[in-house]
Amino acid sequence: DAGVIQSPRHEVTEMGQEVTLRCKPISGHDYLFWYRQTMMRGLELLIYFNNNVPIDDSGMPEDRFSAKMPNASFSTLKIQPSEPRDSAVYFCASSSGVGPLNTGELFFGEGSRLTVL
Amino acid sequence: AQTVTQSQPEMSVQEAETVTLSCTYDTSESNYYLFWYKQPPSRQMILVIRQEAYKQQNATENRFSVNFQKAAKSFSLKISDSQLGDTAMYFCAFRYSWGKLQFGAGTQVVVTP
Repeated sequence: DAGVIQSPRHEVTEMGQEVTLRCKPISGHDYLFWYRQTMMRGLELLIYFNNNVPIDDSGMPEDRFSAKMPNASFSTLKIQPSEPRDSAVYFCASSSGVGPLNTGELFFGEGSRLTVL
Repeated sequence: AQTVTQSQPEMSVQEAETVTLSCTYDTSESNYYLFWYKQPPSRQMILVIRQEAYKQQNATENRFSVNFQKAAKSFSLKISDSQLGDTAMYFCAFRYSWGKLQFGAGTQVVVTP
């Protein structure tokens, strides 16, 4: 399996521009998570989906952030308009459900490093 | 609200020695999962070890083992025979049985020759 695939790996943009981060989860996984990592705040859960449905978006910082999962093999995280404080590494992760047959482990992509100037 | 606390920002250990990282968590749930993830400078998140709360036996993976104390809500990681490649940030994580996973602040482990 190719693992969780994120794109782009690096993005440099100017304040006010729209940014779209993409994620392809591992085939067969029914959970998808978006995390943001910064030095100041560590790893923050932004939103997670189960079977393509957003379950908890309480971590989304504000209305400038939106996430979608149109199908089981693709998700996007969009920031519009972007601001310098959005500079961070954004991770996507996927997993199967938890229970006796599933370990609950999250499999992470390599992250997208966003720099907003 | 669920919290995961790692009280050691940084730990230094010499090669071949043992280091123990602490983690405590707060929950009213009885069924959950605990993990230790490692993040080397490459920034890739790598699973080190996992523990199901309903299992009393402590998990072990080669040189990595945990001390899971459910009543005390404690989940420490022991790294034995430390190697230079163990240098990384280590995150303790808690996952509800119904899906959400939260991380602690992390402990930077530095292994010195």
